[in-house]
Amino acid sequence: AQKVTQAQTEISVVEKEDVTLDCVYETRDTTYYLFWYKQPPSGELVFLIRRNSFDEQNEISGRYSWNFQKSTSSFNFTITASQVVDSAVYFCALSEGNTDKLIFGTGTRLQVFP
Amino acid sequence: NAGVTQTPKFRVLKTGQSMTLLCAQDMNHEYMYWYRQDPGMGLRLIHYSVGEGTTAKGEVPDGYNVSRLKKQNFLLGLESAAPSQTSVYFCASSYSRPAGRTQYFGPGTRLLVL
Repeated sequence: AQKVTQAQTEISVVEKEDVTLDCVYETRDTTYYLFWYKQPPSGELVFLIRRNSFDEQNEISGRYSWNFQKSTSSFNFTITASQVVDSAVYFCALSEGNTDKLIFGTGTRLQVFP
Repeated sequence: NAGVTQTPKFRVLKTGQSMTLLCAQDMNHEYMYWYRQDPGMGLRLIHYSVGEGTTAKGEVPDGYNVSRLKKQNFLLGLESAAPSQTSVYFCASSYSRPAGRTQYFGPGTRLLVL
């Protein structure tokens, strides 16, 4: 069965620190897709990144970077030089190739203090 | 483009009352989804639709019904609300192709059942 584990319930950092949010997934499929979403205090869900199982290249977008490792079934998210505006709940999610349903992790609440 | 919109934003119901949540999208997406978000549990799929006139059950469908009479709208109904249905409800939509398509979310509806 599919499963997404975000073991870190809450992380607190001081502004400008780097922080990594962990995501470990389980699936039997060889084709699958991984996502990260951000949920700021206002409550909406904001799409951050999508990665398919055939693309293990790491990705960098500004201060955000993602490390996908199939060998450890992990898709970790790093924020470099964190800012107060990064404070949010971050969700990792998995979609198998033959379905359209997302399986979400329980989320990691990130608090960035000035 | 408004994207995905949800009506209402907030609602209070008494146990046993019924209501319908409306989701509308203007992106011409084929697929639409309803999730609920509860503290510490991430988002869980209630029902989804892969096209006009079609619906299917997700992970937690009991107590809910859905309809997709028009491509742009997806309705979620609670026939007899229970306190266990107190939650934040999110609608999402996506294209049918390519595989692993990104889901875009509405702003959410907060429902309190007394």
